[in-house]
Amino acid sequence: DARVTQTPRDKVTEMGQEVTMRCQPILGHNTVFWYRQTMMQGLELLAYFRNRAPLDDSGMPKDRFSAEMPDATLATLKIQPSEPRDSAVYFCASGNDGNYGYTFGSGTRLTVV
Amino acid sequence: DAKTTQPPSMDCAEGRAANLPCNHSTISGNEYVYWYRQIHSQGPQYIIHGLKNNETNEMASLIITEDRKSSTLILPHATLRDTAVYYCISSRDYGGSQGNLIFGKGTKLSVKP
Repeated sequence: DARVTQTPRDKVTEMGQEVTMRCQPILGHNTVFWYRQTMMQGLELLAYFRNRAPLDDSGMPKDRFSAEMPDATLATLKIQPSEPRDSAVYFCASGNDGNYGYTFGSGTRLTVV
Repeated sequence: DAKTTQPPSMDCAEGRAANLPCNHSTISGNEYVYWYRQIHSQGPQYIIHGLKNNETNEMASLIITEDRKSSTLILPHATLRDTAVYYCISSRDYGGSQGNLIFGKGTKLSVKP
């Protein structure tokens, strides 16, 4: 089965450091999402790309978070500087026109100490 | 997108049908009902979706009331591996694919031996 690949699986970093999370969407998929999940807030939508163009990043703290798709095979989510409240599991998902149902990756577990 | 309401938790005996309800009384005519589930520490997994008609696939059945204000996801023969949080989401159709998914708290289904 085709998969959405996220790296790294786990990341522990110190407060103030830059963190970059990567996502390889399923080949041919034109829609990419970034979600964040915590116990308190559940799954929150951070950003949404379609054909590499950002459609909605209203859920993302703009002062420290940035999301990009440098090409169709790579999506990145960057946090600079990181804070302890950013500790969460970050999921990437991809999908395609005419194909209902998005596929999620296994997530990146981020711990900021 | 319309808000959905689900019970926070449900139990089901192994081998029996699990019927998970969802209320979406404010759903609009162009919004689909989608179901995803999240098994512990994994990314969400697409199950099924529908607009007006009942739907069935290899995983589950979706029954949507005639007024579209509520729906029920049916797992016909629940197994222990179906223990997960189940999310009911309403979202617009965008040219043959889903729009962005806004997750609520879902229903935690516990399948017991």
